[in-house]
Amino acid sequence: QVQLQQSGAELAKPGSSVKISCKASGYTFTSYDISWIKQTTGQGLEYIGYINTGSGGTYYNEKFKGKATLTVDKSSSTAFMQLSSLTPEDTAVYYCARSEEDWFAYWGQGTLVTVSS
Amino acid sequence: DIVMTQTPSSQAVSAGEKVTMSCKSSQSLLYSENKKNYLAWYQQKPGQSPKLLISWASTRESGVPDRFIGSGSGTDFTLTISSVQAEDLAVYYCEQYYDTPPTFGGGTKLELK
Repeated sequence: QVQLQQSGAELAKPGSSVKISCKASGYTFTSYDISWIKQTTGQGLEYIGYINTGSGGTYYNEKFKGKATLTVDKSSSTAFMQLSSLTPEDTAVYYCARSEEDWFAYWGQGTLVTVSS
Repeated sequence: DIVMTQTPSSQAVSAGEKVTMSCKSSQSLLYSENKKNYLAWYQQKPGQSPKLLISWASTRESGVPDRFIGSGSGTDFTLTISSVQAEDLAVYYCEQYYDTPPTFGGGTKLELK
């Protein structure tokens, strides 16, 4: 069965970076893009961008350009998202999801990132 | 970006009740060439990831009970639960994938009356 397993919660200081992982199993990894989605209480669900797991090509929502960097390791079927120059506004749950024409049938369990001094 | 507006933001329901919730988009999600509406519905329970219920505005995912019914076209969409069960208490989100970036509505929370 399709599974997306994300790395654990992160506590980070303002100005630092974190890197979240999303390990896929149960399907051919390079057949689907991986998208990343941010969830906060105030802003709801926001689309960050996606990575083509075959080519490594990326798309970023304008709002997240410069904030998020998406990469992939095909050898381990793992996608990564690095968040840089963290501020308290980056505190959120971040999900990876398998893209099916831009709707999302499979989601990771979410990674809570807390930014606090 | 396309703005998705869901109403109501919360709704108190009793088991067995019929429930409807609305999702409106700031522009049409109907693609004229294939006559498909690029809209999905998700259910999110506390502490869980969103779960896809419906894509293409009305196509239920495998395993989703048939009490969940998606309808609508263009800019106005509805999710109906024909007879609410206790396990349906959750937040429901709509998402448009007609345009990039995909955008989500603010959600409708179903609570117990």
